[in-house]
Amino acid sequence: NAGVTQTPKFQVLKTGQSMTLQCAQDMNHEYMSWYRQDPGMGLRLIHYSVGAGITDQGEVPNGYNVSRSTTEDFPLRLLSAAPSQTSVYFCASSEYRGTEAFFGQGTRLTVV
Amino acid sequence: LAKTTQPISMDSYEGQEVNITCSHNNIATNDYITWYQQFPSQGPRFIIQGYKTKVTNEVASLFIPADRKSSTLSLPRVSLSDTAVYYCLVGPYGGATNKLIFGTGTLLAVQP
Repeated sequence: NAGVTQTPKFQVLKTGQSMTLQCAQDMNHEYMSWYRQDPGMGLRLIHYSVGAGITDQGEVPNGYNVSRSTTEDFPLRLLSAAPSQTSVYFCASSEYRGTEAFFGQGTRLTVV
Repeated sequence: LAKTTQPISMDSYEGQEVNITCSHNNIATNDYITWYQQFPSQGPRFIIQGYKTKVTNEVASLFIPADRKSSTLSLPRVSLSDTAVYYCLVGPYGGATNKLIFGTGTLLAVQP
């Protein structure tokens, strides 16, 4: 049971480039979310999904897109990378009305 | 969603019991109190969840007074490996990933 898997673990982008952060879970969870964590701060919600085909914005959605075509996968797309998007990105999943959320190991993104 | 307040940092020594208190004055009737632990370069990990009174598992205890306006996470006999950031979250169902609001957490430093 792999849990929540994120790829890549590290990425360096140039300003203006686009990329997709991958997230997959094998627990058949309905809920999936993307967070970003900046140094010395807590996690902030970017986008989330409550099931396949359903997504919504979180606290800091600008500059990011998501889609959820399957229960297992929830990719995060950076449309045109900016230095302000330098951060550590975490994907999480949970059951509907579940007790706990399961987080991936994170993707450390640097935009130069 | 209820806002939480917890100390920015705490120091302890190996073998001691550590109590981290969280204030959540505006907690709603259907809110649960959930604690997560985060090690450097890792995603948060669920520790414990409660609604009222006391909850205990193999890792920690959670004490919640009758008015539920605060809660205390108790870690018995901490070791160096308990050095981490601890987050107190308040919200419905604890685990729904679109409902998690992370503050800055409490950095617990355990010394030999």
